[in-house]
Amino acid sequence: DIQLTQSPSFLSASVGDRVTITCRASQGISSYLAWYQQKPGKAPKLLIYAASTLQSGVPSRFSGSGSGTEFTLTISSLQPEDFATYYCQQLNSYTLTFGGGTKVEIK
Amino acid sequence: QVQLQESGPGLVKPSETLSLTCTVSGGSISSYYWSWIRQPAGKGLEWIGRIYTSGSTNYNPSLKSRVTMSVDTSKNQFSLKLSSVTAADTAVYYCARVASGSYGLWYFDLWGRGTLVTVSS
Repeated sequence: DIQLTQSPSFLSASVGDRVTITCRASQGISSYLAWYQQKPGKAPKLLIYAASTLQSGVPSRFSGSGSGTEFTLTISSLQPEDFATYYCQQLNSYTLTFGGGTKVEIK
Repeated sequence: QVQLQESGPGLVKPSETLSLTCTVSGGSISSYYWSWIRQPAGKGLEWIGRIYTSGSTNYNPSLKSRVTMSVDTSKNQFSLKLSSVTAADTAVYYCARVASGSYGLWYFDLWGRGTLVTVSS
């Protein structure tokens, strides 16, 4: 299976901060990566697919980049509603896997 | 607006079979892949498997020996059975739609709200 390692696992930030989360794959996955946001007690919500394509309705302050084995999710100006846990997911192999998650909390 | 809703027992005894159903409303179940994903309390997401409306399946190798998925297009439903459950199978179980059958586009664009299944005697 392809393993995904997210860093950091926990991030403390303030409203207005620029936030970057990294997802590293154990082998190359081209651009076959998605990002999700999950709030407590809720299902995950798709943010980005194909590494950098913003899902319809997702604010433009979210962006994704990368290919191969290293990917980033960036929130350009953190808003109160962005405090949540973020997961990456690889779409390259028939066994789909997720990263361990990055929890973004208020500083 | 397509919506997904999981249903099934919230409590299952160890060694028994967990059975869940996902009902798709507001749209057709046809021509999509559908998945089950689970999340133990305080932990990350684990993909269980996916099924196409033809009945074709792919399962997570770590669960493959215990998982069976099925689809009923007449009821717009798909189902999960997980046999020989233990406490380690206690989790919130989500059903989700796979956005596309095309290679590399197997992300989940629609999710159910999730249902907690506890394995305990």
